[in-house]
Amino acid sequence: ETGVTQTPRHLVMGMTNKKSLKCEQHLGHNAMYWYKQSAKKPLELMFVYSLEERVENNSVPSRFSPECPNSSHLFLHLHTLQPEDSALYLCASSLDRLSTGELFFGEGSRLTVL
Amino acid sequence: AQSVTQLDSHVSVSEGTPVLLRCNYSSSYSPSLFWYVQHPNKGLQLLLKYTSAATLVKGINGFEAEFKKSETSFHLTKPSAHMSDAAEYFCVVTDTGGFKTIFGAGTRLFVKA
Repeated sequence: ETGVTQTPRHLVMGMTNKKSLKCEQHLGHNAMYWYKQSAKKPLELMFVYSLEERVENNSVPSRFSPECPNSSHLFLHLHTLQPEDSALYLCASSLDRLSTGELFFGEGSRLTVL
Repeated sequence: AQSVTQLDSHVSVSEGTPVLLRCNYSSSYSPSLFWYVQHPNKGLQLLLKYTSAATLVKGINGFEAEFKKSETSFHLTKPSAHMSDAAEYFCVVTDTGGFKTIFGAGTRLFVKA
């Protein structure tokens, strides 16, 4: 148990669906992250939030829409995805924006796009 | 510019024998270096970190790593492998300010009985 909880753990969706991934951290951290992990590719940073403000968006397509309503919760809204978006989506948190190397990860949401 | 290279995509050892997972880095600044482990269907877990204190760093589960500036290396070792060590391991480098984090491609460790 890392203190970072992701739901759902598995999600299958069609290309026209809209779904959301949820992440919650109970560590009192101020920074939260979304990463994408695809087979045979390095971990890709998607978004960074610090104190609920988005501070980094690494050229992620607009079909991925993050939301951070407070410092404990992070969402990733998904719509009109492509099959190549199938991957493990990992949420992480850190004490603050300067502690990006010391991350606490959730167990991930395995997304399959049909 | 920063980069990190994990020299082996797969490493296979027998249970009870030493483990060596190799990592080389490139950084224009004084880096911080980390190793993470990921077991199947799990998230990543921090094993150990180097942040410019002692060059030999001890982590969880008997792992340790040595920072060698002259060789720009941060190899992960363990004296005796257990079956439970079978997982994927990631070497990570961040710059001095901690803003930029680069993950290596990962090394999958297989442990044979």
